[in-house]
Amino acid sequence: QQPVQSPQAVILREGEDAVINCSSSKALYSVHWYRQKHGEAPVFLMILLKGGEQKGHEKISASFNEKKQQSSLYLTASQLSYSGTYFCGTGNNDMRFGAGTRLTVKP
Amino acid sequence: GAGVSQSPRYKVAKRGQDVALRCDPISGHVSLFWYQQALGQGPEFLTYFQNEAQLDKSGLPSDRFFAERPEGSVSTLKIQRTQQEDSAVYLCASSSRRLVSYEQYFGPGTRLTVT
Repeated sequence: QQPVQSPQAVILREGEDAVINCSSSKALYSVHWYRQKHGEAPVFLMILLKGGEQKGHEKISASFNEKKQQSSLYLTASQLSYSGTYFCGTGNNDMRFGAGTRLTVKP
Repeated sequence: GAGVSQSPRYKVAKRGQDVALRCDPISGHVSLFWYQQALGQGPEFLTYFQNEAQLDKSGLPSDRFFAERPEGSVSTLKIQRTQQEDSAVYLCASSSRRLVSYEQYFGPGTRLTVT
């Protein structure tokens, strides 16, 4: 079952913050986050494992609530380079990705 | 070091033709994945290899799709009798570990257009 992401799209000004959510109807053991720029391959951001763990990557961090079967990606003080489509992925070796959240950061 | 490479980058096929898409994973990566990505959508899982063993092919949409990785490195995704609905970007990814809890490195993809 494919995870559900929200919002579908968000537009920010440089320096603003954003939150992208990912929820699953199935029990989660890990959540992957990737960013894909137009015409390019998805690039790994981080993996979160069970336990409400939070991880960081520069000014991008994420949380994972296994009870709620949800993960959230936090982008702080966004930069122009953050623009792209963000995907969460769940599952085992048969990774299922959400439909993506298109993030646009404007000057 | 070299990342995941895929060839060809672009392929135009006439409906009914067979196509073969190649993936060269990062050297030494045990796990290899194939995904299909339609325009504006997330990657959809097709199949997974651990070394030369195809452990999961539950995502292959029909028996026209076939994947192999005979020596545990290079993989080929073959689509027989292509249909218009097969038009998509086909992504390959590899991972250094057997467990899913490790990052996947994606190739640039092959854009297949079936006319």
